[in-house]
Amino acid sequence: QQQVKQSPQSLIVQKGGISIINCAYENTAFDYFPWYQQFPGKGPALLIAIRPDVSEKKEGRFTISFNKSAKQFSLHIMDSQPGDSATYFCAASRGNQAGTALIFGKGTTLSVSS
Amino acid sequence: ETGVTQSPTHLIKTRGQQVTLRCSSQSGHNTVSWYQQALGQGPQFIFQYYREEENGRGNFPPRFSGLQFPNYSSELNVNALELDDSALYLCASSLDARGYTFGSGTRLTVV
Repeated sequence: QQQVKQSPQSLIVQKGGISIINCAYENTAFDYFPWYQQFPGKGPALLIAIRPDVSEKKEGRFTISFNKSAKQFSLHIMDSQPGDSATYFCAASRGNQAGTALIFGKGTTLSVSS
Repeated sequence: ETGVTQSPTHLIKTRGQQVTLRCSSQSGHNTVSWYQQALGQGPQFIFQYYREEENGRGNFPPRFSGLQFPNYSSELNVNALELDDSALYLCASSLDARGYTFGSGTRLTVV
């Protein structure tokens, strides 16, 4: 059972455009929703994260939008740059106690053309 | 520069063998998790250690085991390797079980 569903699988965006990646979750107990960026040969790096008590969080060019009733959240990358080309993973977890696993989506490969 | 280091970076093993992967957590992080990432997939949770005790486990068989040491380094051991165990194994450490820092992983190939 896939608890976090991510789309699209791949995305091509022109330089300066907006990249949008969507995720949907099933478990209403999830209360922490991070996005990770992964470059080839590297481990995932935390990009931005949100908790369900807010509907939006912005850090620089990266914004998370969160819709608790729809159980969906999305990552928006404004003014996309070639250096943003990477694989992006959404994730979810519940609780802040040790033993809490991150449940990842299957990833979105973003290519930003120059 | 990530604070989590993993060794080795690449490894080739034969089916049926045993393997030990190592991780040095970021200083002060008392929680370490291990993930398996198959090609083209998201990381899958294997297990987590907190203060040297396993306190969470994903859907992986008992032949996947681990240890965490007082200096917060850890090991992932896999016995009786199968071809499907070929993957990138990621170690991640955290101070508060939220903001995990991942290492660059060990690429295991089972032939």
